[in-house]
Amino acid sequence: DVVMTQSPLSLPVTLGQSASISCRSSQSLAYINGNTFLSWFQQRPGQSPRRLIYKVSNRDSGVPDRFSGSGSGTDFTLHISRVEAEDVGIYYCMQGTHWPLTFGGGTKVEIK
Amino acid sequence: EVQVIESGGGLVRPGGSLRLSCVASGFTLNNPAVTWVRQAPGKGLEWVSSISGNDDTTYYGGSVKGRFTISRDGSQGTVYLQMTSLRVEDTAVYYCAKDDFWTGHPSRYYYYGMDVWGQGTTVIVSS
Repeated sequence: DVVMTQSPLSLPVTLGQSASISCRSSQSLAYINGNTFLSWFQQRPGQSPRRLIYKVSNRDSGVPDRFSGSGSGTDFTLHISRVEAEDVGIYYCMQGTHWPLTFGGGTKVEIK
Repeated sequence: EVQVIESGGGLVRPGGSLRLSCVASGFTLNNPAVTWVRQAPGKGLEWVSSISGNDDTTYYGGSVKGRFTISRDGSQGTVYLQMTSLRVEDTAVYYCAKDDFWTGHPSRYYYYGMDVWGQGTTVIVSS
């Protein structure tokens, strides 16, 4: 199984500052058709998860453009610019290139 | 508003069985891929099982393979997760989600992830 490793586990951020979350996979997530299937999810306290990003860098409808995804191969990043209070929660990466599907362990974003 | 709604959770003894159901509002679950994800208390997300939209192929995580069965009743627009031989470690909130993937020819394969999530249903396995 592909192991997804996120860092840091906890990320205290000042309002208005930026934040970056790293996600590394134990195998390349590049599929044989040339695409890379890495998604990011946000889970606010007490809520269900919500998809933010798919296929590395494609933002879902309604997701603020403060959120961006990047990366390739085994190294990926979720970047949040100008963090707002509503961004508090746990962020998960997930790979869809190899079955079984696997999630990262999560990164908790909190306000300093 | 599109949403999915899970039901069927509850308290069950170890070794027992439970069937979870998932229906949709604002669209139908007759066709799309559907995935179950669980979250143990205080823990992260764990993929459990998926059923594809193109041909109803089923997929299972290693911890549930052979014990859980995902299925779709197109006439009811419902996706089920039949859980048997339940263990204490299966205790979790189980989320149903409309998924977005295509597993046909490799040249056309894609996986974008779950784009509509339910509120979850709680399964507690305890004696």
